[in-house]
Amino acid sequence: KNEVEQSPQNLTAQEGEFITINCSYSVGISALHWLQQHPGGGIVSLFMLSSGKKKHGRLIATINIQEKHSSLHITASHPRDSAVYICAVHLTGNQFYFGTGTSLTVIP
Amino acid sequence: NAGVTQTPKFRVLKTGQSMTLLCAQDMNHEYMYWYRQDPGMGLRLIHYSVGEGTTAKGEVPDGYNVSRLKKQNFLLGLESAAPSQTSVYFCASSYQMGQGSYNEQFFGPGTRLTVL
Repeated sequence: KNEVEQSPQNLTAQEGEFITINCSYSVGISALHWLQQHPGGGIVSLFMLSSGKKKHGRLIATINIQEKHSSLHITASHPRDSAVYICAVHLTGNQFYFGTGTSLTVIP
Repeated sequence: NAGVTQTPKFRVLKTGQSMTLLCAQDMNHEYMYWYRQDPGMGLRLIHYSVGEGTTAKGEVPDGYNVSRLKKQNFLLGLESAAPSQTSVYFCASSYQMGQGSYNEQFFGPGTRLTVL
């Protein structure tokens, strides 16, 4: 069973395009995380949110708790944004469930 | 600050061998986690610790043991390695998750383990 579903699995975009990655989850959560995994394998946290919207540079993350859905948007995409983007949900009791990731390639 | 470091970066084991993966963090984080990442699957929590001397099971704990003797270190042990344990292992740490407060996790660079 997959508590966290991401779409699309793979995404190719031209530089400058607006990108949206979606995350749906089936359990009650305390918070949701968006992570970025670089081609070399390193993982960094982009956002952690439990309601509303957060923005950091060209990245915007939104969450709708009632619909159990979150989106990650990238404005003016750049080749350096090419990475795997992972959605993770934090349940009470220190349990985390991770999506399988969205592989993004931005072409110059 | 080094952040979260993992030792070793790569390892090849034969079935039945044992090994220990070391995770160290210099951010004074209370919480530490061990995950495994397999192709086509999301990260899965193996064990975690909410403080020195305490550990708890995650989603996939079988075949692994952990210890947190010092706050800055979290060890993951494989007593008798199996090919199914071939994976990339990530350690992470975070500040204490107080009530109503959820903190981001900081990840190590990963350890690629192959069990033949």
